[in-house]
Amino acid sequence: AQSVTQLGSHVSVSEGALVLLRCNYSSSVPPYLFWYVQYPNQGLQLLLKYTSAATLVKGINGFEAEFKKSETSFHLTKPSAHMSDAAEYFCAVRYYGGSQGNLIFGKGTKLSVKP
Amino acid sequence: GAGVSQTPSNKVTEKGKYVELRCDPISGHTALYWYRQSLGQGPEFLIYFQGTGAADDSGLPNDRFFAVRPEGSVSTLKIQRTERGDSAVYLCASATTANTGELFFGEGSRLTVL
Repeated sequence: AQSVTQLGSHVSVSEGALVLLRCNYSSSVPPYLFWYVQYPNQGLQLLLKYTSAATLVKGINGFEAEFKKSETSFHLTKPSAHMSDAAEYFCAVRYYGGSQGNLIFGKGTKLSVKP
Repeated sequence: GAGVSQTPSNKVTEKGKYVELRCDPISGHTALYWYRQSLGQGPEFLIYFQGTGAADDSGLPNDRFFAVRPEGSVSTLKIQRTERGDSAVYLCASATTANTGELFFGEGSRLTVL
């Protein structure tokens, strides 16, 4: 079955440290890939998306993600964490041939940032 | 309104009761989605509308769940004969069209079935 896997339900980093949140998809054909973020008491919002135009995608708030076909990965990174980055992050995929409305979400990774 | 609005934000009901959850999308967005999020899980697709019609309802778990969008704007998710397993946060999202993947989510309706 098509799926998306996020490694690590919780990640904790110190302020100023590198943020790395992992996402792997399961398909031989690269899908559309997305990262969404959910801040406390807010709805999910789109952070960035990959649609085959460029393998390195830049998003809001200094986040970026690199698509690696050989690793079937789309990991999210930020060079220097800020306290305001504390949130839950969801990787999502839409596979070719799938319903246009059907985004498949990972289970999420909760990011904590220590002062 | 400026964003996707969902009401009620919290709903507590008893097993066997009927529940309606409402979603008011961003004005002009033709695509509307319902997802369900259980504790510790990511959002799970239920149904999406393109205009007034349900383009894909493959995620609805059973025939107790039904959704409508009669005028292509506001949508209502209806759950009959609620069960304790229906307890979750129900998320609504809208988009300008269905093929961008850029969904704008509401804050959700938390349903608790006792």
